[in-house]
Amino acid sequence: DIVMTQFPDSLAVSLGERATINCKSSQSLYYRSNNRTYLAWYQQRPGQPPKLLVYWASTRESGVPDRFSASGSGTHFTLTISGLQAEDVAVYYCQQYYSTPQTFGQGTRVEIK
Amino acid sequence: EVQLVESGGGVVQPAGSLRLSCAASGFIFGDHWMSWARHAPGRGLEWVANIKEDATEKNYVDSVKGRFTISRDNARNLLSLQMSALRAEDTAVYYCVRVVGSGWFGYWGQGTPVIVSS
Repeated sequence: DIVMTQFPDSLAVSLGERATINCKSSQSLYYRSNNRTYLAWYQQRPGQPPKLLVYWASTRESGVPDRFSASGSGTHFTLTISGLQAEDVAVYYCQQYYSTPQTFGQGTRVEIK
Repeated sequence: EVQLVESGGGVVQPAGSLRLSCAASGFIFGDHWMSWARHAPGRGLEWVANIKEDATEKNYVDSVKGRFTISRDNARNLLSLQMSALRAEDTAVYYCVRVVGSGWFGYWGQGTPVIVSS
């Protein structure tokens, strides 16, 4: 199984500041035959189901604010929230869908400082 | 609008059984892989099982193999998860998920809680 590791486990950021979440996979998520990277990011607000933010490592889902951006390749990935808003308080998860079982990182909790 | 509505959760004793259902609407159910995922208290998200559009392929996380069975009824737009030999570690909120594209989880239901306790 591919192991996904996120860091930090939690971070506190002032409103309007930048939050950066890292995710590392135990093997490459890049599939050479189609030049795609099989990584997604999700946001889970308190009491809510997860919500898709990003797929293919950097493609923002329709309707997701552009303050959310994602990058990375191979085994190292980053989700950045530029200009944190109060509604961004949540736990963020990365997920690989390169192989079964699809696996998630342990989550990174983002709070307001 | 895509809607996924889970039902069937509750409190069950260890070694007991429970059947979860998910009513899907707002899309052509039979055209999509579907999954179940769960979120245990104090733990992260975990994929549990998935099923191909025509139910010819099913996959499970190792911890539930032989105990859980995923199924679907495309005529009724219904996804199910039959859970047996339940353990305390199966306690979680269970989500019905519509798989999108090459495997990301595009749509999630609100979830149904399962508590395994004596």
